[in-house]
Amino acid sequence: GDSVTQMEGPVTLSEEAFLTINCTYTATGYPSLFWYVQYPGEGLQLLLKATKADDKGSNKGFEATYRKETTSFHLEKGSVQVSDSAVYFCALIPAGGNTPLVFGKGTRLSVIA
Amino acid sequence: KAGVTQTPRYLIKTRGQQVTLSCSPISGHRSVSWYQQTPGQGLQFLFEYFSETQRNKGNFPGRFSGRQFSNSRSEMNVSTLELGDSALYLCASSSNRGRGEKLLFGSGTQLSVL
Repeated sequence: GDSVTQMEGPVTLSEEAFLTINCTYTATGYPSLFWYVQYPGEGLQLLLKATKADDKGSNKGFEATYRKETTSFHLEKGSVQVSDSAVYFCALIPAGGNTPLVFGKGTRLSVIA
Repeated sequence: KAGVTQTPRYLIKTRGQQVTLSCSPISGHRSVSWYQQTPGQGLQFLFEYFSETQRNKGNFPGRFSGRQFSNSRSEMNVSTLELGDSALYLCASSSNRGRGEKLLFGSGTQLSVL
């Protein structure tokens, strides 16, 4: 079945460091891909999305590019802040769109000043 | 505009008991989805309701059930609780069938089973 694999955390970075969180997926066809973020004590919020190959999603300085050839959707940010500390989830909706989100297990990011 | 409201925020139960969790979606939203979040398994889909009808169901035992009322509020029930049911239960609402970009999540109900 469809699945998402994320790099294991936790990830600890200093402020202003470069962030990459790896995400690869297994799915037939062209799924839609998402990154969600969960801040402490809160629910999930959509961070960015991409719906077709080579699309780049971006928001709040975060970016991810839909790479069909490597079945990847890695999350990047050039300079992280303490306020970026959260759990990040990669997710997909299979092609066809009438099925629920499939999430990765999440990657906890801690940014220290 | 009020967000997705889940009650209660925290629950402590013992094995064998049952529990009911509530979710009030954003006004006008007709789709409500439920997810279980645990450190080991991550986020797993439980079920989705749209206009009082269950549209999708995840791979959970029959002890997990849900329903949706005419005002779109939803409840999920877990009977005969087990230790492994300890988790954060998240509800998400949307105006349509719950595609990822339309989902708005509540803060969750943290259930602890002792």
